[in-house]
Amino acid sequence: QLQLQESGPGLVKPSETLSLTCTVSGASINSNNYYWGWIRQPPGKGLEWIGNIYYSGTTYYNPSLKSRVTTSVDTSKNQFSLKLTSVTAADTAVYYCARHGGLWVGGLLYLNWFDPWGQGTLVTVSS
Amino acid sequence: QSALTQPPSASGSPGQSVTISCTGTSSDVGGYNYVSWYQQHPGKAPKLMIYEVSKRPSGVPDRFSGSKSGNTASLTVSGLQAEDEGDYYCSSYAGSNNFVVFGGGTKLTVL
Repeated sequence: QLQLQESGPGLVKPSETLSLTCTVSGASINSNNYYWGWIRQPPGKGLEWIGNIYYSGTTYYNPSLKSRVTTSVDTSKNQFSLKLTSVTAADTAVYYCARHGGLWVGGLLYLNWFDPWGQGTLVTVSS
Repeated sequence: QSALTQPPSASGSPGQSVTISCTGTSSDVGGYNYVSWYQQHPGKAPKLMIYEVSKRPSGVPDRFSGSKSGNTASLTVSGLQAEDEGDYYCSSYAGSNNFVVFGGGTKLTVL
């Protein structure tokens, strides 16, 4: 059974870098059919896609966060990671990792669903 | 890209049906059959309920169904049960660079 688990500091100071890791168990991250994504949810608010990464290192990012986001993958550990720089209080949220799947059409993978999700980890930005 | 538009709330009595709408544009919902729906209970991670407009993952009851017309997708929950109460989010593929956009969420109350 595929499971994902986020880990990392729960408190980050303003202007510093938020770093999270997602450990995948029950399946290999080396799959041709999936990307691995990050989504966040500020307290009491809706979901926001942050970005995703393929096992080869190909990435896609939300344009609104692109200048501050970096994702990476470690296939030897079956993990992928998120770094968000220059954080402010607005970056306080529950951060989720998830498998990002879709449909191959004409040689292109149209990513369109997230499943399963990790349990999420609350990251608070505060001094 | 802007968030998809969902009604903030919806409700129904046990056994009834309720439909939640998700309105986007021709660049996302209307342009592709790549809409998904998620259920979220308080303090829990979202759960995939519908993908590619109308497909149900294994284990999701057939009381949940999805459809799309133009730029608006819909999630219908038939035979409402108490455990269906929660927040529901739609999401869509939004074109180049595999961009993903979510709706603002709808709180479903079972009366």
